[in-house]
Amino acid sequence: DTEVTQTPKHLVMGMTNKKSLKCEQHMGHRAMYWYKQKAKKPPELMFVYSYEKLSINESVPSRFSPECPNSSLLNLHLHALQPEDSALYLCASSQDGDRKSNQPQHFGDGTRLSIL
Amino acid sequence: AQSVAQPEDQVNVAEGNPLTVKCTYSVSGNPYLFWYVQYPNRGLQFLLKYITGDNLVKGSYGFEAEFNKSQTSFHLKKPSALVSDSALYFCAVSLTSGTYKYIFGTGTRLKVLA
Repeated sequence: DTEVTQTPKHLVMGMTNKKSLKCEQHMGHRAMYWYKQKAKKPPELMFVYSYEKLSINESVPSRFSPECPNSSLLNLHLHALQPEDSALYLCASSQDGDRKSNQPQHFGDGTRLSIL
Repeated sequence: AQSVAQPEDQVNVAEGNPLTVKCTYSVSGNPYLFWYVQYPNRGLQFLLKYITGDNLVKGSYGFEAEFNKSQTSFHLKKPSALVSDSALYFCAVSLTSGTYKYIFGTGTRLKVLA
């Protein structure tokens, strides 16, 4: 069982819909991540939160809006997505602080998103 | 440009035989090195990492990896492959400059044949 829980597991939405992806971890990690992964490709970093503050935005289109309500939760709000946004969206968490570069990331099982 | 290469898209090995999944990197400084495995319809699972010290790192599920600084390689190995090891393997490099970012390799699909 993974220690990072993502819901829903699958999501189908139209291009005009608004939906949210949720991620939760209780490992006390203060760094949390959103990745996008296409089939058979490595994950692509989208956002990083450090201590509930947005630290990195990898020039992600504004139709993706992240939110970190508290140290255990991470949301990704979706609006007016395009068909090319169909992918597996992975959440991850890790220890933060001075040694953040050498800490492994713990991934959830993802939300498989399909845009009609 | 900094990069991580996994030169084999797919590796086939017979069950019980040793396996190697290759990773080489081209980055400045002394990076931290990681291996992750991804099973179908799952997220990435951490296998092992090299920070410093002994060049042979042992990880989960009987996997190990050998760090070679002169060849800038970090190959993943297992003495005896299992069918259940069949999955997608990613090598990742983290720079030591206090970053959250990984540079991922392109991934290698390991197929263990019964």
